[in-house]
Amino acid sequence: EAQVTQNPRYLITVTGKKLTVTCSQNMNHEYMSWYRQDPGLGLRQIYYSMNVEVTDKGDVPEGYKVSRKEKRNFPLILESPSPNQTSLYFCASSAGTGGDEQYFGPGTRLTVT
Amino acid sequence: SQQGEEDPQALSIQEGENATMNCSYKTSINNLQWYRQNSGRGLVHLILIRSNEREKHSGRLRVTLDTSKKSSSLLITASRAADTASYFCATDANSGGSNYKLTFGKGTLLTVNP
Repeated sequence: EAQVTQNPRYLITVTGKKLTVTCSQNMNHEYMSWYRQDPGLGLRQIYYSMNVEVTDKGDVPEGYKVSRKEKRNFPLILESPSPNQTSLYFCASSAGTGGDEQYFGPGTRLTVT
Repeated sequence: SQQGEEDPQALSIQEGENATMNCSYKTSINNLQWYRQNSGRGLVHLILIRSNEREKHSGRLRVTLDTSKKSSSLLITASRAADTASYFCATDANSGGSNYKLTFGKGTLLTVNP
């Protein structure tokens, strides 16, 4: 089944404790991206990747890192999480550019206390 | 500001009625897409309409695009309780060079009452 998976689905952590949210797709997609969704603000892109070893900032990259060492994986790293990073996070992928149909993961609900 | 803005923010109808949601955007686009999100879950792609298309159908969905007015509408006919969800429009934009990305609106929350 074609899908985007994220882990963990739920995470409660404390300020400053490094964490990684994994994202994997099995569709051989070139483009992958991370979004955060906050009430009243909609979805905002954090980082995106057009291919292996090619990543770039989205609209809200501060406090986040990403890497794309393999085509199928695109982990999101929070080196020192803060409470303002409490949010619902989505990974997405598409076959072509970021303007094509996006396939979304199920989401990761992160709470930073 | 957001490239796409949905209207209304919330819509409540009875089962069997039609639901219409609108989206306005600011700059020229290659395509416009509509997504659906059930509460707290991932977004699901519904339909994509290209800038040279005016209307597209998929099952009970009908999407129109008016590039002169920079607006689109999503019509769901004969709505069902299972259509209750948030609906987002997304427009592609060139974020530099050949990089395109989708910019999402804030969504319309549709409630279909049984």
